[in-house]
Amino acid sequence: QKEVEQNSGPLSVPEGAIASLNCTYSDRGSQSFFWYRQYSGKSPELIMSIYSNGDKEDGRFTAQLNKASQYVSLLIRDSQPSDSATYLCAVNKGSGAGSYQLTFGKGTKLSVIP
Amino acid sequence: DAGVTQSPTHLIKTRGQQVTLRCSPKSGHDTVSWYQQALGQGPQFIFQYYEEEERQRGNFPDRFSGHQFPNYSSELNVNALLLGDSALYLCASSSTSGGLYEQYFGPGTRLTVT
Repeated sequence: QKEVEQNSGPLSVPEGAIASLNCTYSDRGSQSFFWYRQYSGKSPELIMSIYSNGDKEDGRFTAQLNKASQYVSLLIRDSQPSDSATYLCAVNKGSGAGSYQLTFGKGTKLSVIP
Repeated sequence: DAGVTQSPTHLIKTRGQQVTLRCSPKSGHDTVSWYQQALGQGPQFIFQYYEEEERQRGNFPDRFSGHQFPNYSSELNVNALLLGDSALYLCASSSTSGGLYEQYFGPGTRLTVT
């Protein structure tokens, strides 16, 4: 089982719809969770971080964390064509071996259709 | 507020050669991590530097080495280049204060080995 898994997509949504991106992780001791957006040919950009169970909202973005299910999601409301990118889920273990590194999924490619 | 900077932007090297990549962290950050991102994959952790020492290392061979300077900037060195080393090399900076583990990426260096 891979440490961080994401559906590679592509995920296509119409403009104005809600895009839902999902991520599961294998290390139950993971403490910190991040979503990065990566446009083609560019570097990853941090858009959301979440550390405790529940929802965290920032503008059109909502991150959801369920540690019992080892599941993190990102919702993008009112999706815009400019949201078309690859979204990377990253996990930090928080303690012990490997505690300083981020472990990434392969990313989900999102396409917002005008 | 200057973000993370990396140089050079692009680099073409021949198999067997050596390469040095450079990174300056975001203002106020004291920790630098290096990642390798192959096409279609998420970034993979190479190592992290803090207080001029390698604090953690990922699953990369000894051909990959680094250094951190007193001003927190960092170098990544790769010896005996292989074709498989062709990738986007990302530097990420973070701060040890706050314990949030948020890492911010620079624009990356695209290395091509021929």
